[in-house]
Amino acid sequence: EPEVTQTPSHQVTQMGQEVILRCVPISNHLYFYWYRQILGQKVEFLVSFYNNEISEKSEIFDDQFSVERPDGSNFTLKIRSTKLEDSAMYFCASITGYEQFFGPGTRLTVL
Amino acid sequence: DQQVKQNSPSLSVQEGRISILNCDYTNSMFDYFLWYKKYPAEGPTFLISISSIKDKNEDGRFTVFLNKSAKHLSLHIVPSQPGDSAVYFCAATTNAGKSTFGDGTTLTVKP
Repeated sequence: EPEVTQTPSHQVTQMGQEVILRCVPISNHLYFYWYRQILGQKVEFLVSFYNNEISEKSEIFDDQFSVERPDGSNFTLKIRSTKLEDSAMYFCASITGYEQFFGPGTRLTVL
Repeated sequence: DQQVKQNSPSLSVQEGRISILNCDYTNSMFDYFLWYKKYPAEGPTFLISISSIKDKNEDGRFTVFLNKSAKHLSLHIVPSQPGDSAVYFCAATTNAGKSTFGDGTTLTVKP
């Protein structure tokens, strides 16, 4: 069964550093999403991506964040200058119809 | 403005009994509702969904009920099993857009 994969599973970084989180969505899906979940809180929408551009983004997705699909298979989330409050699980998802398929997540720890 | 709410942060039931998880929403534009199950350190896993044109959808031990006039949906699990212990998220979406998640309900099924 096809699945969404994410790398790395855990990323530890120093505050102010750039991180890139990677996702390989399911190949025939067209819509891609990033969500995050701060420990103990709910899953929050960050951004949706369709046809090689952002279709919607939340208030959380400020200028420090960017997404791209550099090669037609990978879907990346970049945080330019990480803050302590960026520590969270980051989930990638791709969609067919209404059902979103989530990846296993990347745990980002900012020290 | 929290558009999807799960008012019970936790629920504990005995194995074999029914688990009922509740969810309320405020945005009448939502037309599709999903339940996800999440284990620690894993991504949400799709469980069951319902379109706004239906009031019930059943899949094995899982049934979702939708009351559009009350903007309320519920997930019934019967009989509950210890392996059902997880965090359950209700989510709502519009026409293949982003999912808006509730805060989650932690279900514990005791043997």
